[in-house]
Amino acid sequence: GNSVTQMEGPVTLSEEAFLTINCTYTATGYPSLFWYVQYPGEGLQLLLKATKADDKGSNKGFEATYRKETTSFHLEKGSVQVSDSAVYFCALSDFAGNNRKLIWGLGTSLAVNP
Amino acid sequence: GAGVSQSPSNKVTEKGKDVELRCDPISGHTALYWYRQSLGQGLEFLIYFQGNSAPDKSGLPSDRFSAERTGGSVSTLTIQRTQQEDSAVYLCASSLVLLVGDTQYFGPGTRLTVL
Repeated sequence: GNSVTQMEGPVTLSEEAFLTINCTYTATGYPSLFWYVQYPGEGLQLLLKATKADDKGSNKGFEATYRKETTSFHLEKGSVQVSDSAVYFCALSDFAGNNRKLIWGLGTSLAVNP
Repeated sequence: GAGVSQSPSNKVTEKGKDVELRCDPISGHTALYWYRQSLGQGLEFLIYFQGNSAPDKSGLPSDRFSAERTGGSVSTLTIQRTQQEDSAVYLCASSLVLLVGDTQYFGPGTRLTVL
């Protein structure tokens, strides 16, 4: 079945460091890919998405490119801030048959120190 | 505009009691989803509604769990005879239904604690 594998955390960085959170997937068909973020004490928010191969999603300085050849959707940011401290979830949409659910990675906790 | 709302935000119950969790989706969103977020286990899909019907109930963990949606809007997730392993954050999401790339918008969740 479809699945998402996400690098384990926690990840701890200093402010202005470069961030990569790896995400790889297994899927039949052509899923859409998503990164969601959960800030402390808040609900899940969509960070960015890509709906087809080679698409790049971007938002708030974060980017991720849908790579079909490597089945990856790695999240990157060039210079993290303390306010980026949160849990990041990679997900894919499973639209097989009547399904419209999201399949989730386990989440990666990021702590950014000043 | 208003986002997805859920109530209650917190629920503490005793083992064996029934609980009802409510979700109010974004107006106009035809699709509604329930997920469960357990510590250390990530997010688990429970059920999906399109309008008032549930084409996919595959994620409901047991027959103690049921859900309904009325008027194409509000949904209720009911857990009967709660067990301690039901303790989790229950998340509701809604979306428009597009050919690709629907974005699911999440509510703040209901934290359920079964004593």
